Amino acid sequence: AQTVTQSQPEMSVQEAETVTLSCTYDTSESDYYLFWYKQPPSRQMILVIRQEAYKQQNATENRFSVNFQKAAKSFSLKISDSQLGDAAMYFCAYRTEGGNDMRFGAGTRLTVKP
Amino acid sequence: DTEVTQTPKHLVMGMTNKKSLKCEQHMGHRAMYWYKQKAKKPPELMFVYSYEKLSINESVPSRFSPECPNSSLLNLHLHALQPEDSALYLCASSPRGGRTSYNEQFFGPGTRLTVL
Repeated sequence: AQTVTQSQPEMSVQEAETVTLSCTYDTSESDYYLFWYKQPPSRQMILVIRQEAYKQQNATENRFSVNFQKAAKSFSLKISDSQLGDAAMYFCAYRTEGGNDMRFGAGTRLTVKP
Repeated sequence: DTEVTQTPKHLVMGMTNKKSLKCEQHMGHRAMYWYKQKAKKPPELMFVYSYEKLSINESVPSRFSPECPNSSLLNLHLHALQPEDSALYLCASSPRGGRTSYNEQFFGPGTRLTVL
């Protein structure tokens, strides 16, 4: 069974600084997709960034980028120029090719200090 | 329309009540999901509907009964719930079920359920 591990329950960053959230996963599949979701205190889950496992190039979305290491089964999220609005719970998620379900990590609560 | 809507936002019910949660999307997505989320925990998958057919039931107690009347609508019928069922119930949809290219799930804002 696929598992997703986020080893940092809480992280803190100063506004305008950079922070990296860690995620590792375990799978025997070769085709899959990885996601980072953000859930602010208002509770709506929002997709931050996605990565297809067959792509070697790391995904980027504005201030958000990932470091995808397929052999190491690692998928970290880097947030540059952190803003107060980035404060939220961040979930790493995994989905197989053709799969209907998504596996979530336990989450990392990010605090942004002004 | 690029959102998933859920009603009601909040629901308080007794253990003998019958209530329903509603989820709607008009993005043409053919897979819809119910998740249960406890405070400070990740969402736990409950049910998946793919092309209006139940494809995954993660051993959810029968007091939760899902229904997918059409491709845009997903209901969760609740009956004889327990206080431990109190949680945030999230609905999500994705473009297609089955074998396809990657597709993320779009989440609704959730229904905060309290069982007394």
